[in-house]
Amino acid sequence: DAKTTQPTSMDCAEGRAANLPCNHSTISGNEYVYWYRQIHSQGPQYIIHGLKNNETNEMASLIITEDRKSSTLILPHATLRDTAVYYCIVRPRIIKIIFGKGTRLHILP
Amino acid sequence: GAVVSQHPSWVICKSGTSVKIECRSLDFQATTMFWYRQFPKQSLMLMATSNEGSKATYEQGVEKDKFLINHASLTLSTLTVTSAHPEDSSFYICSVLLAQGNTSTDTQYFGPGTRLTVL
Repeated sequence: DAKTTQPTSMDCAEGRAANLPCNHSTISGNEYVYWYRQIHSQGPQYIIHGLKNNETNEMASLIITEDRKSSTLILPHATLRDTAVYYCIVRPRIIKIIFGKGTRLHILP
Repeated sequence: GAVVSQHPSWVICKSGTSVKIECRSLDFQATTMFWYRQFPKQSLMLMATSNEGSKATYEQGVEKDKFLINHASLTLSTLTVTSAHPEDSSFYICSVLLAQGNTSTDTQYFGPGTRLTVL
């Protein structure tokens, strides 16, 4: 599997856009980029995934660079409830997710 | 998405007893389910992959005789921690694989987790 690199932690002011980066320089052509988050003491929550085009849903936007070596998850208007650990995962198929350490996002009031 | 439940949400047991945790897929039939555990301040660790009607596939280092997994129906998988000890205290989380006809976009959805404390 392609490895991912994420910052250990980030802060974002409430109401601002939270931009979470992920490096996946060894990604293969058939591998998708998935994002999950885990709020404290809860199970992970699926956010979004993409292959090479930018994607948007009701939760977030996913921007993937043209060379696919990095991506950014954007939460457009962060709220306190977005405080969580965010995981960027690269896989050819979503069977058997292996979690890294993720980014701990703190939303500041 | 998919709705996944776990029961119980938390359990406290004595050392040496066995504990069963249920994972249910509430709104679709799941051929494949997964079990993870998470220790405090650590990431999730995959324990095993459970396929309906067949034996589970365990990750390296996970004792299959200690962590018994049964996936007898398309909506229910169970994890039994046998002869539990304090070091088994952890947060156990299941997930289901929502197959959408394209394996490249199949998505996993997770349950809320079960916190096990072994005294």
